[in-house]
Amino acid sequence: DTGVSQDPRHKITKRGQNVTFRCDPISEHNRLYWYRQTLGQGPEFLTYFQNEAQLEKSRLLSDRFSAERPKGSFSTLEIQRTEQGDSAMYLCASSLAGPVNEKLFFGSGTQLSVL
Amino acid sequence: LAKTTQPISMDSYEGQEVNITCSHNNIATNDYITWYQQFPSQGPRFIIQGYKTKVTNEVASLFIPADRKSSTLSLPRVSLSDTAVYYCLVDNAGNMLTFGGGTRLMVKP
Repeated sequence: DTGVSQDPRHKITKRGQNVTFRCDPISEHNRLYWYRQTLGQGPEFLTYFQNEAQLEKSRLLSDRFSAERPKGSFSTLEIQRTEQGDSAMYLCASSLAGPVNEKLFFGSGTQLSVL
Repeated sequence: LAKTTQPISMDSYEGQEVNITCSHNNIATNDYITWYQQFPSQGPRFIIQGYKTKVTNEVASLFIPADRKSSTLSLPRVSLSDTAVYYCLVDNAGNMLTFGGGTRLMVKP
């Protein structure tokens, strides 16, 4: 178990640029979640996948946000035309769906700063 | 979605037992109660999960009364390294696992 890996750890970009973050989940996990966290707040749910299917995306913050999980393995979160308000920590988590309530395993996050 | 309410912050001293209570009045029959710990610049980490009565592991205990409308995370003999934010989750509707604001625990020497 190598844990959930996120890349990059930090990203500084200029307003209006596009950014893409990558998440590699624990290999046997079939669910993958994206959250956003701003300073002093709890993680805010964005979207999640079961295998390659995106089962919930209504909480994505705007149409500038999109996520993919091709082949049900790693996932990417893209933010187009970034705004200063997008500055936050973006967290990825994975889990193994089963009969008992889920346990999420989180990565260390990608800290985005939009200048 | 089940909403949770926790104290915003708590202070304690090394060696003391800390109890953090979470209210979840509209918990659903199928919901489990899960607690996570988060340190600065890290993702949350699973601590403990339960459905009813009491659950204990090497890190903490979780007490859940019969009506399941609240739960209490108990950390025995805290140390400075237990200073963190603690989140209680009970939402599982549609798998939109929702975090509240959490409880900021400060352990003092």
